[in-house]
Amino acid sequence: SYVLTQPPSVSVAPGKTARITCGGNNIGGKAVHWYQQKPGQAPVLVIYHDSDRPSGIPERFSGSNSGNTATLTISRAEAGDEADYYCQVWDSSSDHVVFGGGTQLAVL
Amino acid sequence: QVQLVQSGAEVRKPGSSVKVSCKASGYTFTSHTMHWVRQAPGQRPEWMGWINAGNDDTNYSQKFQDRVTITRDTSATTTYMELSSLRSEDTAVYYCAREQIANDAFDIWGQGTMVTVSS
Repeated sequence: SYVLTQPPSVSVAPGKTARITCGGNNIGGKAVHWYQQKPGQAPVLVIYHDSDRPSGIPERFSGSNSGNTATLTISRAEAGDEADYYCQVWDSSSDHVVFGGGTQLAVL
Repeated sequence: QVQLVQSGAEVRKPGSSVKVSCKASGYTFTSHTMHWVRQAPGQRPEWMGWINAGNDDTNYSQKFQDRVTITRDTSATTTYMELSSLRSEDTAVYYCAREQIANDAFDIWGQGTMVTVSS
């Protein structure tokens, strides 16, 4: 089955740029979606189809996808961005949805 | 506004079944596929399956194939997920999530339903 690999944690200083990676075999050929999840809450879609932003998501959130790595970039990081972030793809070979292991973002 | 409202927390004994509901409002129910995702404490989300609310087609994760049933009631704009032969490892928060049209991202999520399996 398809595997998505994320770093367990990323730290960033307030106002700086955080980059969260999601690795997978030829992930550049798939559409990658990113979710933000705060404690006790349901996930929220922040990036879909590699780099598109849903309405209401700040422009500080952006995404890219190429080769074996997709990246979620959070510019001008704020304390309110602290959360777990998950990447997700549809694996057409198994017809299954796959989530990455998640990355805990600390802003400090 | 578009929202998904799930049924309340459940406690079940091992070997029993649980059925969770997800009431949709604010959009055309039959135009979207609905997925079910669960998340055990401290774990990543885990996909369980989907139902096409328009034509009733379903697709289940191989992991849950033998134990899960997803149904829908178009008149009630509600989707249901039933999981049988429960074990302690099924203790988790269960979410319904709407799939966006034209791509497979989940743009709207229910608030989650905590299912606890304990003897």
